[in-house]
Amino acid sequence: KAGVTQTPRYLIKTRGQQVTLSCSPISGHRSVSWYQQTPGQGLQFLFEYFSETQRNKGNFPGRFSGRQFSNSRSEMNVSTLELGDSALYLCASSLTVFTDTQYFGPGTRLTVL
Amino acid sequence: GIQVEQSPPDLILQEGANSTLRCNFSDSVNNLQWFHQNPWGQLINLFYIPSGTKQNGRLSATTVATERYSLLYISSSQTTDSGVYFCAVETPRRSGGGADGLTFGKGTHLIIQP
Repeated sequence: KAGVTQTPRYLIKTRGQQVTLSCSPISGHRSVSWYQQTPGQGLQFLFEYFSETQRNKGNFPGRFSGRQFSNSRSEMNVSTLELGDSALYLCASSLTVFTDTQYFGPGTRLTVL
Repeated sequence: GIQVEQSPPDLILQEGANSTLRCNFSDSVNNLQWFHQNPWGQLINLFYIPSGTKQNGRLSATTVATERYSLLYISSSQTTDSGVYFCAVETPRRSGGGADGLTFGKGTHLIIQP
């Protein structure tokens, strides 16, 4: 069974631009979560989707948004990029919305210049 | 929110050595997982262990939920064990099904020297 895939793997943008990242979960998994990893703040929860509905959102500004499609694939969007948005963005999928093992993708490394 | 503390922050060992990594958490949890992040950033799930003991090859983990800590044991270390080990917990979900996601510790950076 294929693992979680994320595209693109690397991305360079400039301040003020917007970016869309994509995540395809493991086949059959319906829950997708997004995390941001930076050297200073570590791994932080962004949001979780299940059946196309956002279940909860972490403590990030409204510039960070996401959505999930009917095939469980998810996208996250960051508008008006800031230098501090440079990070590794990780996507995780799990079978159900309830407590379950989470499987992470390889991440998208975003650099904002 | 819940606090997750991992120790030690850094650990350097020779190949073949054994090690114990610790994770303390400040509140009740539904879910505790251990991950290994390799040098390329990939997080690999090692254990899903909200309580009890599990073993997988040279690795084993124990969570004592009542005392709010978990331990990860690595025996006969190999250079491929190098990387950062994270403990992550999930607190009880809110009424209505809201999810708070996983709260990660800062990790233990393990270096295994040949």
